[in-house]
Amino acid sequence: RKEVEQDPGPFNVPEGATVAFNCTYSNSASQSFFWYRQDCRKEPKLLMSVYSSGNEDGRFTAQLNRASQYISLLIRDSKLSDSATYLCVVNREGNNRLAFGKGNQVVVIP
Amino acid sequence: NAGVTQTPKFQVLKTGQSMTLQCAQDMNHEYMSWYRQDPGMGLRLIHYSVGAGITDQGEVPNGYNVSRSTTEDFPLRLLSAAPSQTSVYFCASSYGGGGSYNEQFFGPGTRLTVL
Repeated sequence: RKEVEQDPGPFNVPEGATVAFNCTYSNSASQSFFWYRQDCRKEPKLLMSVYSSGNEDGRFTAQLNRASQYISLLIRDSKLSDSATYLCVVNREGNNRLAFGKGNQVVVIP
Repeated sequence: NAGVTQTPKFQVLKTGQSMTLQCAQDMNHEYMSWYRQDPGMGLRLIHYSVGAGITDQGEVPNGYNVSRSTTEDFPLRLLSAAPSQTSVYFCASSYGGGGSYNEQFFGPGTRLTVL
């Protein structure tokens, strides 16, 4: 089983719609969780950290479910500018060795 | 602040050639890492460093060397390039280490092709 698994998609989303996707991780000792955004041929950039209590940043909501070992990202009122690949990132075993998922590709359609 | 810079942006090598990918950061970050990104594979950790003089292997270290003589610089050396090393290479830095929510800052990447 891969350390971090994501359905690569693509997720074709009408503008203004809501899209949500999950990421599962295999190491129950993982301590910190993130969503990064990567635009085509660009470097990844932090979108948001994912805390145990869940967190929201504008139209973006992230949740963590430790019991089932997954994190989720929900995007409301999708904009054309949300088109990107969203990378699930999990910290391994309390050190600086991050594990990246393959990413969820989101395409927002006018 | 320039953040994390990488040179070159593009490089074409022939099999067997060696080269060094440069990475520098001006944020006084202790942690620096090298990743490669291949289609359908996600980012994979090559080597990382928790401070000047300290380096360790990631999940795909074979064929690469690193050193960390200063806090700012973390070069990646390809010893004898192979076509399997064709990839996009990202350098990243962060303030602190694992177990805490430290943002990784990535450089713009180096696109390497080995013929």
